[in-house]
Amino acid sequence: DAKTTQPNSMESNEEEPVHLPCNHSTISGTDYIHWYRQLPSQGPEYVIHGLTSNVNNRMASLAIAEDRKSSTLILHRATLRDAAVYYCILRHPDSNYQLIWGAGTKLIIKP
Amino acid sequence: EAQVTQNPRYLITVTGKKLTVTCSQNMNHEYMSWYRQDPGLGLRQIYYSMNVEVTDKGDVPEGYKVSRKEKRNFPLILESPSPNQTSLYFCASSLVWGDSYEQYFGPGTRLTVT
Repeated sequence: DAKTTQPNSMESNEEEPVHLPCNHSTISGTDYIHWYRQLPSQGPEYVIHGLTSNVNNRMASLAIAEDRKSSTLILHRATLRDAAVYYCILRHPDSNYQLIWGAGTKLIIKP
Repeated sequence: EAQVTQNPRYLITVTGKKLTVTCSQNMNHEYMSWYRQDPGLGLRQIYYSMNVEVTDKGDVPEGYKVSRKEKRNFPLILESPSPNQTSLYFCASSLVWGDSYEQYFGPGTRLTVT
């Protein structure tokens, strides 16, 4: 199974960088790594995705290990509004049309 | 504003009473899907649709039906709801299906079946 492993929760101080790790040791060569987040009482929200090289957008950066068995979502300067559950997701191994969602990492931001 | 809308947002019903949760997107997306979210289980896909009149089962389709008669709408139908279908439901859409396309999610529908 191509699945991901994330810590259950992490804490960070406001206005400091946050590094959220994800292990995906069984990833296949064509699987993209997606990150979504879910703020309290809201639907999931796309954050970023990548295949092999590191990616940046206005929300975050994604650092992908050279062997692709792990990745790290980087929030450069966390704010209280970044408190959410962050999901690292891969494609379903048995289907081309599904994503596997794990339990995610609950990010707690301390003021 | 680009968005996915769901109605109702909250619903309490009784066992066996048919219900429909509507989902609509205004982005001309081809791919749409339904998820349920339960504590400790993450999001699990119920059904998905690649385009109009093309639907297929996800991981947990039992007890649900869907239809895709128009590109923008993808209703979720519970013909005979049971208490184990009490959950938080999300509809999502993306331009097409593919690894490089992001999904947009609706705000969720909290369903309670008594």
